[in-house]
This record gives sequence, C-alpha cells and structure tokens, in this order.
Amino acid sequence: GQQVMQIPQYQHVQEGEDFTTYCNSSTTLSNIQWYKQRPGGHPVFLIQLVKSGEVKKQKRLTFQFGEAKKNSSLHITATQTTDVGTYFCARTLSGGYNKLIFGAGTRLAVHP
Amino acid sequence: NAGVTQTPKFRILKIGQSMTLQCTQDMNHNYMYWYRQDPGMGLKLIYYSVGAGITDKGEVPNGYNVSRSTTEDFPLRLELAAPSQTSVYFCASSYRQQNTEAFFGQGTRLTVV
Repeated sequence: GQQVMQIPQYQHVQEGEDFTTYCNSSTTLSNIQWYKQRPGGHPVFLIQLVKSGEVKKQKRLTFQFGEAKKNSSLHITATQTTDVGTYFCARTLSGGYNKLIFGAGTRLAVHP
Repeated sequence: NAGVTQTPKFRILKIGQSMTLQCTQDMNHNYMYWYRQDPGMGLKLIYYSVGAGITDKGEVPNGYNVSRSTTEDFPLRLELAAPSQTSVYFCASSYRQQNTEAFFGQGTRLTVV
C-alpha cells in the first residue's frame, strides 16, 4: 500500500559516532519528506527529496533518495547531543493536498 | 508570526465527555490538517481541509469532527471520548501547492480516563 517503513526503530550512539536511518516503500514515491521531533516537541520539517538519486546536505546531515524512488536515507555524521530526537520520513498521500503518511520514526539517543 | 497555535496543551477527559481542540494559523495557508500520534508511532491523518468550508476525512476519522469556517481556524471536535483517543494531537498547515512542507503546532496531549 502507501505505507513507509522506517528502520531502525531506535538507535543509541556515542557522541561523535555516525547515525543512519532508512525509509522504504513497496511503491514508487513521488517525493519523500524528512521531519525531526525533539522529545516532547512537534515535528519540524528538515527537507524534501523529489528526484531519483537525489542527494542533499545540510551541514552534518545527508539525505538520499534512491534511484528507483522507493527508498530514502538520512545520515548524520559525528552526532552531537543536539541531534537527539525522533526522525520521521513521510510520503504524500495520493489525491494531492499534501496529505502525509508518516513512517513510525527512528528515535536517536546520543550519549556524551 | 506565531505560526500554528494549538490550545489546550494538555487535557484530561473522562470517558463519554466531549471537547474541542483549537487550532489557528496566521500564515494564510489554505491547507490544514489534524494528525494524532500514539506513543512510539508516526503521525496519522485524522481530517484535513483545503479551504474555508471544505473538509474531508483522512486515515483515522472515526470519533472526530471538524469544521473550517475561516482560513485561520480548524477546530477538532471529540464527541463521546474513549480511552482509544488518548494521544497527542497535532494541527498542521501548508501552502496550497503540491509537495510542500507542513508546519506543525505544539500539540495537545489528551488523556481519556
């Protein structure tokens, strides 16, 4: 269906280690969005990927969209304690109007 | 700009009670949404609106109602609250164009006991 699967569900790393979360779909995606939610907070938009094979960077964060547009990843280099939170990927529901289907998220804990 | 503002932040309801979660945005967005987030889960779409006077169901609409009388406001009504509606509710809005980001409110944490 239109669900997106995210792995892992949870990861804890030592500060300075890298982190990657993956988002997979059984169907071709028109786009994928990534959001970050700090503990007790609300989702905040990070980025959107639209093109096959697209790679975008935001400082230590690297976002990739697969060639087949069925998967995406978010990689954080040298994690910091400020990276703590849950990272969600989301796809747009068919029918337009920017309705989103969210993955279950990957919760990142960073130990100093 | 305040962005998307939700009230209340927290609420405890008894089974069978009703309440309205308020949401207002000052960004002149046409599209507005209500999502719920259960513990350890992603967000699920309850209802959405593409403009004043136009609303439609999302993935999990049962037990909820919405209205959109103005561009700014999109309240969510819970009738006959049930424990299954214990969740965090997020209101969001976006511009009227395809594939654009959603702006979320701070959320309302609701417990039904």
